[in-house]
Amino acid sequence: QKEVEQNSGPLSVPEGAIASLNCTYSDRVSQSFFWYRQYSGKSPELIMSIYSNGDKEDGRFTAQLNKASQYVSLLIRDSQPSDSATYLCAVTLSGNQFYFGTGTSLTVIP
Amino acid sequence: GAVVSQHPSWVICKSGTSVKIECRSLDFQATTMFWYRQFPKQSLMLMATSNEGSKATYEQGVEKDKFLINHASLTLSTLTVTSAHPEDSSFYICSARSGLPEYNEQFFGPGTRLTVL
Repeated sequence: QKEVEQNSGPLSVPEGAIASLNCTYSDRVSQSFFWYRQYSGKSPELIMSIYSNGDKEDGRFTAQLNKASQYVSLLIRDSQPSDSATYLCAVTLSGNQFYFGTGTSLTVIP
Repeated sequence: GAVVSQHPSWVICKSGTSVKIECRSLDFQATTMFWYRQFPKQSLMLMATSNEGSKATYEQGVEKDKFLINHASLTLSTLTVTSAHPEDSSFYICSARSGLPEYNEQFFGPGTRLTVL
């Protein structure tokens, strides 16, 4: 089992809709959780970090962490075509190792 | 804040030559830097982790004699691809962490696209 798993997609949503991206992880003692966005041909860009259970909102983005169920999600409200990218989930596991998921490709259709 | 630069942004070289890529943290001290490689339409692949002043830790399958990593200061790490061949053509990305508990994130450089002819 991989340390971090994401549905590779592609996920398509219409413009203005909510995009929901999910990530599960295997290590119960994981400490830190991150979402990165990567446009085609570019390097990843950090968009959200979350450390405790619950929701964290930043503009149109909301990260949700549920440690009991070992998942972290990212909601993008009012999706825009410019949100079309690959979204990478990352988790620091015990020992401070840093693991990335393989990413979910999101397409926002105008 | 948390800006990481890479140089060069792209390089084209002949087979057999060596290429050096620099990664700098511009506004923080990076106790740990990471080097990744990404082939088209594939996910990030961690190559090695380097801590300032110590030898890099390479991932399984990555040749340490081919991919030389130096992390001589808290703001600079270099990756040298020695005797590059066409199969080394890829997008190389570095990232940096400060090591401070409140800054556990990795911040990525813009990447270097290497093409070996």
